Amino acid sequence: AQRVTQPEKLLSVFKGAPVELKCNYSYSGSPELFWYVQYSRQRLQLLLRHISRESIKGFTADLNKGETSFHLKKPFAQEEDSAMYYCALSSGGGSNYKLTFGKGTLLTVNP
Amino acid sequence: DAGITQSPRHKVTETGTPVTLRCHQTENHRYMYWYRQDPGHGLRLIHYSYGVKDTDKGEVSDGYSVSRSKTEDFLLTLESATSSQTSVYFCAIRPTSGVTYFGPGTRLTVT
Repeated sequence: AQRVTQPEKLLSVFKGAPVELKCNYSYSGSPELFWYVQYSRQRLQLLLRHISRESIKGFTADLNKGETSFHLKKPFAQEEDSAMYYCALSSGGGSNYKLTFGKGTLLTVNP
Repeated sequence: DAGITQSPRHKVTETGTPVTLRCHQTENHRYMYWYRQDPGHGLRLIHYSYGVKDTDKGEVSDGYSVSRSKTEDFLLTLESATSSQTSVYFCAIRPTSGVTYFGPGTRLTVT
C-alpha cells in the first residue's frame, strides 16, 4: 500500500530563515509526487509537481528515490508563506490517479 | 479555479438526516473525487469516479454513497449523518494535464 509521511505537524520559523518541510513516501511503482498548499480556509492549490522541476514562489523540491523523499525547501521564508502544506502521491492510471496525502505540516513564518 | 464549484458551501444538519453535497465542473473531465479533510488526518479519499455511472470506493467510504449521472456533476450523499462526519469536504477533478484541482470545499457540521 502506498503511504505518505510528513513527520512535522507544526513548523515555525522566522522571516528570512530557510525552511524545509519533510515528506517521505512508500510506493512500489514509479511515484508521481506533488506539494499542495492551503492558505487559511481556502481550497488546496498545487505548489509543485516533481516532474516539472519548477521553482514556484521560491520553493523547490527534489525527488530522491534512494531515500524515498520529496522534501520542500525555500531558502528565505516570507510571512505570506504561512499555510498548511500537504505532500501527495499519485497512484497512476492503473488506479485512476488517486492521490494519497500526508497529514500536512502547518508552517508559521514569524516576523 | 479549474471550473469546479461545490454546493452548499456550509451546512448544519442533525444526526440521522440524509445530506447530499454537489460538485459541478464546467470542463467535462473524466476523473472526479470526493475527499474529507480533518485535523490530524490530512485529506482522505471517500469515493471517486472515472466516468458517468462509473464509481468506486476510497479509503473512508463507510456511510457515504455517490452518483454520477452526468459528466459534470458528482454527488456525495451521507445516508444518515453522524457527528463523525462533521468535516470539510473537497471535490477534485483530474484533467489530462495530470494535475488534480480542488473545489472550494463544503463545511458540514452534524449536530
